[in-house]
Amino acid sequence: QQQVKQSPQSLIVQKGGISIINCAYENTAFDYFPWYQQFPGKGPALLIAIRPDVSEKKEGRFTISFNKSAKQFSLHIMDSQPGDSATYFCAALAGGTSYGKLTFGQGTILTVHP
Amino acid sequence: AAGVIQSPRHLIKEKRETATLKCYPIPRHDTVYWYQQGPGQDPQFLISFYEKMQSDKGSIPDRFSAQQFSDYHSELNMSSLELGDSALYFCASSSLVRANTGELFFGEGSRLTVL
Repeated sequence: QQQVKQSPQSLIVQKGGISIINCAYENTAFDYFPWYQQFPGKGPALLIAIRPDVSEKKEGRFTISFNKSAKQFSLHIMDSQPGDSATYFCAALAGGTSYGKLTFGQGTILTVHP
Repeated sequence: AAGVIQSPRHLIKEKRETATLKCYPIPRHDTVYWYQQGPGQDPQFLISFYEKMQSDKGSIPDRFSAQQFSDYHSELNMSSLELGDSALYFCASSSLVRANTGELFFGEGSRLTVL
């Protein structure tokens, strides 16, 4: 059973457009929600992370929105670029008890057309 | 900056054989993690170490074992290999503080193919 559900599985966006990836979770013990970016043949790399006491976090063109009551969070990529084409994984962690034991979503393959 | 080093990058084995993967964490990182990523799948947590002691276990088969050595490098040993063990195996390291917020530093992975 997938504890973190991610959608869509794949996403095609034109250059300059907005990419939106959504995730939902059930386990209320989760209290850190990082997003990882993975290029083909590479390991996942941390993109941005949020705690549930923050409703939004922005770093450059990347923004995480968090809805604690709905147990949902999303990644927005503004002004999407071809170089953003990668697989994006949302993840969740129960900090304080499960150091580094990430539960990943299924991943979203993002393709940004020039 | 130094990254997590994994070896070998590619490994081909026959069914029922044994494989050993090695991981060299980023210097001064005190935690190491192993994840398995099947084709088109998300990474699944296998096992972790803190200061050379096993700290947590995930869905790791009994045929697999891992340890962390005095120089902090870690090895994942897989015996009686099955076709379903074919996957990318990632090692990650972090400081305990950063790991507690989900910030792990992943290596480029070792691709195991079982024939």
